[in-house]
Amino acid sequence: EAGVAQSPRYKIIEKRQSVAFWCNPISGHATLYWYQQILGQGPKLLIQFQNNGVVDDSQLPKDRFSAERLKGVDSTLKIQPAKLEDSAVYLCASSLVRKGTGQETQYFGPGTRLLVL
Amino acid sequence: AQSVSQHNHHVILSEAASLELGCNYSYGGTVNLFWYVQYPGQHLQLLLKYFSGDPLVKGIKGFEAEFIKSKFSFNLRKPSVQWSDTAEYFCAVKPSGTYKYIFGTGTRLKVLA
Repeated sequence: EAGVAQSPRYKIIEKRQSVAFWCNPISGHATLYWYQQILGQGPKLLIQFQNNGVVDDSQLPKDRFSAERLKGVDSTLKIQPAKLEDSAVYLCASSLVRKGTGQETQYFGPGTRLLVL
Repeated sequence: AQSVSQHNHHVILSEAASLELGCNYSYGGTVNLFWYVQYPGQHLQLLLKYFSGDPLVKGIKGFEAEFIKSKFSFNLRKPSVQWSDTAEYFCAVKPSGTYKYIFGTGTRLKVLA
């Protein structure tokens, strides 16, 4: 099966510019996550969707970050305006809950490496 | 607050050496536990997972992990590492009944040929 797709893979922008990232989850996966991974740290959850509804966006800096998941499939994450500290890898992941077990496994995309100058 | 600690930030081993990477979490309830690996230039991949049952979990590429509930730990082991195991390893915890994954800061493993 195809994995989680993300684009672009790399992006360099200047501070105060805007940027958008795109994610296409694994087909059939209802849950989609966006993470921010700063160099030397583990992934930090930004926002989580269940189908097209937001489950958790408590760690999303809402003054500059926004995300949407139209039609419950692919998703975009936007930063406007970008700051230097937004330089990081932005990871998208999707997950599927196994029927009857409640067990959920998360699969990651390749990430988008953002550099803000 | 819930957190995951990986105390070894950098580990250097020679090929054939045994590996144990520590992972401790702070959460009093039932959890699901995961180890992910990120090889150089590649994305995060699932190495193994624990949901319930036998606390000794076997994953891909000869890795295993043991869940010790009393110690809130889920340490990763491999009896004999290979050069190709050079990668960064992340422990993650998901409290049962939630969708929230909490990751550790990662352990960077370098295996010398």
